[in-house]
Amino acid sequence: EVQLLESGGGLVQTGGSLTLSCAASGFTFSSNAMSWVRQAPGQGLEWVSSISATVGATFSADSVKGRFTISRDNSKNTLYLRMNNLRVEDTAVYYCAKHQGAAAGSYDAFDLWGQGTMVSVSS
Amino acid sequence: SYVLTQPPSVSVAPGKTARITCGGNNIGSKSVHWYQQRPGQAPVPVIYYDSDRPSGIPERFSGSNSGNTATLTISRVEAGDEADYYCQVWDTTSDLYVFGAGTKVTVL
Repeated sequence: EVQLLESGGGLVQTGGSLTLSCAASGFTFSSNAMSWVRQAPGQGLEWVSSISATVGATFSADSVKGRFTISRDNSKNTLYLRMNNLRVEDTAVYYCAKHQGAAAGSYDAFDLWGQGTMVSVSS
Repeated sequence: SYVLTQPPSVSVAPGKTARITCGGNNIGSKSVHWYQQRPGQAPVPVIYYDSDRPSGIPERFSGSNSGNTATLTISRVEAGDEADYYCQVWDTTSDLYVFGAGTKVTVL
């Protein structure tokens, strides 16, 4: 079955760190760019960061630049998001999403989404 | 940065047609994707590249894009279409993916 399974969410205090993981299965993980997209409680979708399939090119939203790092291990079919210096406004469900193609910055859509993992940041 | 503008809500009777707009500066020059998100669930793509339907999406869902407005049209609306719908583009100027704020479709 083609699926994405996020893990690693939880409750953390402001200034703390957390690493999210996204395990992929059912497709050739190394062929597709991947992204993280978040959704604050009761709010809309916000793109966070993207990484290309193999060359490691990354793009990030201004709101997380310098604090969040996206990475991947194609040998483990796993996507990561290292989140440092967390803020209350980072509280959200974090989804990983598969791109249609290999390039991170492209016109491709996000054609497969995981069920999300909740990150809560308290002051 | 690039902004996509969607109406907060659209109400439609069963069997009628719902049209959800997504406004952006010269959005017709970009590729627009649409996602459906039912309550408590992850988003699901319903339209790719302005007007292509992913496998498994009913023909009732269609899309168009021209000028400063992209439109998602849901024909013969059913109760199961009640959800939030988001448009999305890649902005080459800022190297950012952008989502609209979302439109809540209510089936009366």
